[in-house]
Amino acid sequence: KAGVTQTPRYLIKTRGQQVTLSCSPISGHRSVSWYQQTPGQGLQFLFEYFSETQRNKGNFPGRFSGRQFSNSRSEMNVSTLELGDSALYLCASSLTGVSGANVLTFGAGSRLTVL
Amino acid sequence: AQSVTQPDIHITVSEGASLELRCNYSYGATPYLFWYVQSPGQGLQLLLKYFSGDTLVQGIKGFEAEFKRSQSSFNLRKPSVHWSDAAEYFCAVGAQAGTALIFGKGTTLSVSS
Repeated sequence: KAGVTQTPRYLIKTRGQQVTLSCSPISGHRSVSWYQQTPGQGLQFLFEYFSETQRNKGNFPGRFSGRQFSNSRSEMNVSTLELGDSALYLCASSLTGVSGANVLTFGAGSRLTVL
Repeated sequence: AQSVTQPDIHITVSEGASLELRCNYSYGATPYLFWYVQSPGQGLQLLLKYFSGDTLVQGIKGFEAEFKRSQSSFNLRKPSVHWSDAAEYFCAVGAQAGTALIFGKGTTLSVSS
């Protein structure tokens, strides 16, 4: 059974550019969550999608957006990149979505460096 | 809203020694509790979870954790640490439906020989 796949694994961008990250969940999983991981702030929740609908959103500016496709694959986009956006972006999938009992399976992450 | 505190940023343990990583949570009702581990350059892997029932839960790689409601704690333990256990460990709490899983800041474990 394939795990959660994130692409690209590494990327370098400059300030002001935009970036799109992709996440393919485990087959059959309908929920995809995104987290930003930095040394200072730790793991911070960005948003969660279930059946193509954003059902939960963290406290991030509107420059951060996402979407989910009918096959449950998800993308997140960050526009007008800032230096502080440098981070590991983690995607996680789960069967049923929004619930405290949600067991998340994580991908290896996309490491974004903004210069 | 729920929150998680991992008091220890970095812990060093000798190989073969026992380990306990602390986790305290804040939530008004019975939470769902998780421990995840992250090796360098990797995503997070679930070690174990507590939803209800027996307060001592067993996980993978020989880890266990005990839920103590009176102390709002969910500490992770391992009787004998191996060098391959060196990694970062995250405690997480899930609350009612409609909220995301909240993670602690993590504890980095180093294993000395």
